[in-house]
Amino acid sequence: GEQVEQRPPHLSVREGDSAFIICTYTDSATAYFYWYKQEPGAGLQLLMSVFSNVDRKEEQGLTVLLNKKDKQLSLNLTAAHPGDSAVYFCAVSGGNNKLTFGQGTVLSVIP
Amino acid sequence: EAAVTQSPRNKVTVTGGNVTLSCRQTNSHNYMYWYRQDTGHGLRLIHYSYGAGNLQIGDVPDGYKATRTTQEDFFLLLELASPSQTSLYFCASSDIWGGEQYFGPGTRLTVL
Repeated sequence: GEQVEQRPPHLSVREGDSAFIICTYTDSATAYFYWYKQEPGAGLQLLMSVFSNVDRKEEQGLTVLLNKKDKQLSLNLTAAHPGDSAVYFCAVSGGNNKLTFGQGTVLSVIP
Repeated sequence: EAAVTQSPRNKVTVTGGNVTLSCRQTNSHNYMYWYRQDTGHGLRLIHYSYGAGNLQIGDVPDGYKATRTTQEDFFLLLELASPSQTSLYFCASSDIWGGEQYFGPGTRLTVL
């Protein structure tokens, strides 16, 4: 079945810098891609969803890139601020449409 | 946006204990899911359901039962809890299989 590798597991950036997270998936039939944010003590909140016909999507300081050739999905937070400190998960919906999650990235934004 | 609630938010039990985790969603979604979250593993699917009375096995079902009593309510049952089931449990719902999932706030379960 689908496997997803998410890197890095931990990321620390200074306020105003960019934060980059990448996921590599295995199923070439994967059609839907998601990024979630989990704040302390809370559930996962959907940040952005991308369909496979989109290579790049930008919303509110977030940029998602989809490289289908290399089976990679990335999230870039431009100008990170302390409120962005959280755990970020990618999730992909493969050929059987089951959602598979990455292992998560703990992002710390230092003021 | 879908509203998903879970209870209890925290639970401590002993090995061999009987635990029921509850989840309710109020957006009339067809699909409901139970996940466990453990460091280094992300979220792993335990069971899911596509409607009242339906139950499907996920990726890590051993030691867990589940029941979907209504469109809104999905329960996770641990009949003989073990320390390996100490984890953070999330319920989620979605309108379609593979679609956007909306998560509850989680239940932290500790099995002593």
